[in-house]
Amino acid sequence: GNSVTQMEGPVTLSEEAFLTINCTYTATGYPSLFWYVQYPGEGLQLLLKATKADDKGSNKGFEATYRKETTSFHLEKGSVQVSDSAVYFCALRPNAGKSTFGDGTTLTVKP
Amino acid sequence: DGGITQSPKYLFRKEGQNVTLSCEQNLNHDAMYWYRQDPGQGLRLIYYSQIVNDFQKGDIAEGYSVSREKKESFPLTVTSAQKNPTAFYLCASSISQSPDYGYTFGSGTRLTVV
Repeated sequence: GNSVTQMEGPVTLSEEAFLTINCTYTATGYPSLFWYVQYPGEGLQLLLKATKADDKGSNKGFEATYRKETTSFHLEKGSVQVSDSAVYFCALRPNAGKSTFGDGTTLTVKP
Repeated sequence: DGGITQSPKYLFRKEGQNVTLSCEQNLNHDAMYWYRQDPGQGLRLIYYSQIVNDFQKGDIAEGYSVSREKKESFPLTVTSAQKNPTAFYLCASSISQSPDYGYTFGSGTRLTVV
């Protein structure tokens, strides 16, 4: 079956540090890949997506590239802010199917 | 603005009671989903529906029931058979089964057994 593995958290960074959250997946075929963000007490929000190999998704300074050869979709941001503190979920969605989510990675950014 | 509305935001249930969580969307999305989230954990799929009057069990359907009588609505009932219902419940929708589209989530309902 399909699965998504995220780097374990929590991750704590100082403001303006570089962020990487690793995500690897196992799937048949060529799924689309997503990153979602969840702020405390809220639902998930779609952050970015990539629908085919070598695509780069980007939004709000975050980026992730769909790497088929390494089955990865790592999330990066060059300079994090306190307001980026949240839980980040990696997910895949196959053809005609429902999404599979990773377990989430908690990011805390300190001023 | 279009979106998903979950109500109530907080819900308290006594032992042995059934409770129903509301989920309404005005996005004209075909597919809808219910997830359970426990503290510090990921999402677990309870039920999903791809069209009106049809739904399928997810990974943890025992003790839960749903209906999909209208495209806009996908209520979840937590029955007394669910032994540990305290959790954060999230409803989501998607425009279609195409993998190109992500999910839109509601803001969640926090259910507590008292």
